Amino acid sequence: KAGVTQTPRYLIKTRGQQVTLSCSPISGHRSVSWYQQTPGQGLQFLFEYFSETQRNKGNFPGRFSGRQFSNSRSEMNVSTLELGDSALYLCASSLVRVQGASEQFFGPGTRLTVL
Amino acid sequence: AQSVTQLGSHVSVSEGALVLLRCNYSSSVPPYLFWYVQYPNQGLQLLLKYTTGATLVKGINGFEAEFKKSETSFHLTKPSAHMSDAAEYFCAVSDDYKLSFGAGTTVTVRA
Repeated sequence: KAGVTQTPRYLIKTRGQQVTLSCSPISGHRSVSWYQQTPGQGLQFLFEYFSETQRNKGNFPGRFSGRQFSNSRSEMNVSTLELGDSALYLCASSLVRVQGASEQFFGPGTRLTVL
Repeated sequence: AQSVTQLGSHVSVSEGALVLLRCNYSSSVPPYLFWYVQYPNQGLQLLLKYTTGATLVKGINGFEAEFKKSETSFHLTKPSAHMSDAAEYFCAVSDDYKLSFGAGTTVTVRA
């Protein structure tokens, strides 16, 4: 079974631009979560989607948004990029039916650099 | 909200020595706990998880962890470190459809 795939792997943008990151979950997984990883803040939860519905959202500004498609693929968008948005963005998928019971499988991440 | 705290941001061990990484959790309900490992320029890989049942959990690569409710701990151990164990390790708790992670512990292995 193929793992979680994320595209692109690396991205360089300038301040003020917007960016879209893509995530394809493991086949059969309907839950997709996004995390931001930075040296200063560590791993922080962005949002989680299940069957195209956002079930939980982390404490990030409205510039961060996401969506999930009917095939469970997900995208996240960051508008008006700031230097502090430079990070590794990780996507994870899960079979979760019961809250918390299923482990999340992570993709390799997208490394975003904002100049 | 549930949370975890990892004690020690860096651990250095000799090859063949015991690896012990500490994690304490805060939860008002029985927690679901996880240990993940991250190698440079990679995503997170699940080492092991505790949901219910046996408190000693065995994972991949020779790692195991013990859930101790009385101590609110979920420490990770490996009896004999290998050079390939050099990585960053994260303890996490599942809370409301998300994982809350500890700050991570970087393990270096000395030859």
